[in-house]
Amino acid sequence: GQQLNQSPQSMFIQEGEDVSMNCTSSSIFNTWLWYKQDPGEGPVLLIALYKAGELTSNGRLTAQFGITRKDSFLNISASIPSDVGIYFCAGQLRFRDTNAGKSTFGDGTTLTVKP
Amino acid sequence: DVKVTQSSRYLVKRTGEKVFLECVQDMDHENMFWYRQDPGLGLRLIYFSYDVKMKEKGDIPEGYSVSREKKERFSLILESASTNQTSMYLCASSFLGADGEAFFGQGTRLTVV
Repeated sequence: GQQLNQSPQSMFIQEGEDVSMNCTSSSIFNTWLWYKQDPGEGPVLLIALYKAGELTSNGRLTAQFGITRKDSFLNISASIPSDVGIYFCAGQLRFRDTNAGKSTFGDGTTLTVKP
Repeated sequence: DVKVTQSSRYLVKRTGEKVFLECVQDMDHENMFWYRQDPGLGLRLIYFSYDVKMKEKGDIPEGYSVSREKKERFSLILESASTNQTSMYLCASSFLGADGEAFFGQGTRLTVV
């Protein structure tokens, strides 16, 4: 199957710092999704990107869909303690069949924020 | 509030036991998924289903089977549990169309001893 390379694997930062993480793929995706998983919970969608070059913000979060369709990044500005968790990227292809909606996930970036 | 509910948060089973993990969603989603989450390996797809009684293998189906008799319910079955199936299991659902956000359950932490 398709593979996503997500980096960094983990980050330890001070409260107030900005964070950047990214995902790259050897093949194209038509949709990029970014999820956050709080400790002990399932992942929750943060941002969805549907067009190459698209830049989307959600509060302190900004994500971009790379123009090659093979990469995406997520930035978090002015981090706070509740940003702690695992962040996953996910890519989807738009099949006109029963595979539509199936995502390939990156391995995750574990974020630790020190107060 | 949309919901995906997994029947257990924690399970401890013995090697060789048959194990059922249940998942129910209340959003009328066509797609349902079972993932396994292990440290450093991200989310790996075990099986998914796009309709009642339909199932497709994911990336790591060996040792698992699934059942979808009703649209809202998707069960993961470990026919004979082994210690290497100790993991966090996550169920998710989404609409059939592409670009679909997946909604996840809270996860089941399974330990096989």
